[in-house]
Amino acid sequence: DGGITQSPKYLFRKEGQNVTLSCEQNLNHDAMYWYRQDPGQGLRLIYYSQIVNDFQKGDIAEGYSVSREKKESFPLTVTSAQKNPTAFYLCASHLGTENEKLFFGSGTQLSVL
Amino acid sequence: GQNIDQPTEMTATEGAIVQINCTYQTSGFNGLFWYQQHAGEAPTFLSYNVLDGLEEKGRFSSFLSRSKGYSYLLLKELQMKDSASYLCAVRSSWGKFQFGAGTQVVVTP
Repeated sequence: DGGITQSPKYLFRKEGQNVTLSCEQNLNHDAMYWYRQDPGQGLRLIYYSQIVNDFQKGDIAEGYSVSREKKESFPLTVTSAQKNPTAFYLCASHLGTENEKLFFGSGTQLSVL
Repeated sequence: GQNIDQPTEMTATEGAIVQINCTYQTSGFNGLFWYQQHAGEAPTFLSYNVLDGLEEKGRFSSFLSRSKGYSYLLLKELQMKDSASYLCAVRSSWGKFQFGAGTQVVVTP
């Protein structure tokens, strides 16, 4: 089955630690996105990538980093510079054509120990 | 940039109709999407508009006016399972998808 896989489902971070959230898709989609969602809030865009080896900052990129070395993969690193990382993180992908919807992974809940 | 506004919460009774409004300001509009999200889960796609007018899909309909920067999602014959957050999202012409803060719909018996 085609889809987007995020792992792990739950992740804990210690103070001063970097953690990486995985996102893999086998939909052959060109574009991939990372969103952060805080309780009772909407989705805020962290980073997005429209093509391999290229990505752009979203609205809240500070304290995060990404890479897009392969079409299928778009990992997100939450660095120690992100002082309030506790949130639900959603990865999404898009075919790149006009009338296509975003497909979402099942999300990763990140908490600080 | 983009600014997307929708009401925080709406309450309606089972069997009723609810209309969720969304206003947006964007440069390079390339489509408006509605998603449903239950707590702790990923959003699921409901509808898409890129041209002005009404799109109907069963109990759900969505309307767009590009000149007014306005959309609404209409939920008919409300069921208890429709209690969820409804997210308005705008796609820009350079591929950026941005979301509103979501409208929590509470369906009461």
